[in-house]
Amino acid sequence: KNEVEQSPQNLTAQEGEFITINCSYSVGISALHWLQQHPGGGIVSLFMLSSGKKKHGRLIATINIQEKHSSLHITASHPRDSAVYICAINTNAGKSTFGDGTTLTVKP
Amino acid sequence: SAVISQKPSRDICQRGTSLTIQCQVDSQVTMMFWYRQQPGQSLTLIATANQGSEATYESGFVIDKFPISRPNLTFSTLTVSNMSPEDSSIYLCSAGTINYGYTFGSGTRLTVV
Repeated sequence: KNEVEQSPQNLTAQEGEFITINCSYSVGISALHWLQQHPGGGIVSLFMLSSGKKKHGRLIATINIQEKHSSLHITASHPRDSAVYICAINTNAGKSTFGDGTTLTVKP
Repeated sequence: SAVISQKPSRDICQRGTSLTIQCQVDSQVTMMFWYRQQPGQSLTLIATANQGSEATYESGFVIDKFPISRPNLTFSTLTVSNMSPEDSSIYLCSAGTINYGYTFGSGTRLTVV
């Protein structure tokens, strides 16, 4: 079993909908990342979390360390949000382990 | 956390040639890592780039194929040598410190024809 599990694997939404992507992990971590991968392959770091909640524009990320779970929320989704969203965890050694990604398609 | 500039963002290369990817960090970092994402797969660790010494490779990756340099605390390169179409992947660097966390480059999309 992968140390990082994401759900759902694929997600289709209508423009304006509220979206949630989940990430569960099974080991102790120093931080958790949410990344956005565009269709051309380029990667953008959205959030780095070690506790609590962070917000940037329409994006919100939360983490529950006790439950080993994180969620990424997108409010008022837009077609330009269509991308693959990847959860990654850091161990104390600094190495990252990545989830398989969630492919989000937002239809106009 | 540090900001990483990764270059090139994409390239199309002929088989049998080599490509060097570089990552420049805007501050000194303790650790730097290189990852690969093959088509349809998740990102996996190639190696840890060690400053002033040989990189530490994960199982399945060898220095002759993926030589790595790290001459100082802000810069590292990954070379993909003697490329074949199977090397077509996205390559990603990561860097940081335990105190300030780790961040990622923007990735290099390599296509070998």
